[in-house]
Amino acid sequence: NAGVTQTPKFQVLKTGQSMTLQCAQDMNHEYMSWYRQDPGMGLRLIHYSVGAGITDQGEVPNGYNVSRSTTEDFPLRLLSAAPSQTSVYFCASSYGSGGAFNYEQFFGPGTRLTVL
Amino acid sequence: AQSVSQHNHHVILSEAASLELGCNYSYGGTVNLFWYVQYPGQHLQLLLKYFSGDPLVKGIKGFEAEFIKSKFSFNLRKPSVQWSDTAEYFCAVRGATGNNRKLIWGLGTSLAVNP
Repeated sequence: NAGVTQTPKFQVLKTGQSMTLQCAQDMNHEYMSWYRQDPGMGLRLIHYSVGAGITDQGEVPNGYNVSRSTTEDFPLRLLSAAPSQTSVYFCASSYGSGGAFNYEQFFGPGTRLTVL
Repeated sequence: AQSVSQHNHHVILSEAASLELGCNYSYGGTVNLFWYVQYPGQHLQLLLKYFSGDPLVKGIKGFEAEFIKSKFSFNLRKPSVQWSDTAEYFCAVRGATGNNRKLIWGLGTSLAVNP
């Protein structure tokens, strides 16, 4: 298993540009989520999904869109990048959503995004 | 409001010193508790978790944590730290029942171990 993969690892954007951060998992996990990590602010949930076709907002959803057309993929779209979106972005997945599973979240390696 | 508080933001220790990182949570109801670690330049990985049963939980790399329900605490401990334990440590909590399965995270504690 590759686990949770993210691309790209690094990205530099100019203000106003759009881009998509890719996230994929091969563990057949139902639950997937996107976090941003900023110094002194810990992890903040952007969006999450409890299964294909179902997404919901987290704490800091503004400026980001997600979709979940398959169980494996959960891309994060920045619609019009702003310097405030400079951060490290982590995708995570877990069995989630029900039953006697252990709910451990598996994290991807992260994408370091800089918006100039 | 649901929250997780990690008391120490930065901890500096010498090798072989004992470690205790505090974590308190505010959450109404039964909880699942987690400690994650992030080594420099790497992604988060699970150290240990508590779901039910023995409140003293043992994790990887010699770490353990004790769930004290009356104190809403889940402190992380290690008897003797190593230089390789230098990392950021995050405590997280989630409701054990109901439909809300989102993790609530503490702000993290940065641990530096001097050789």
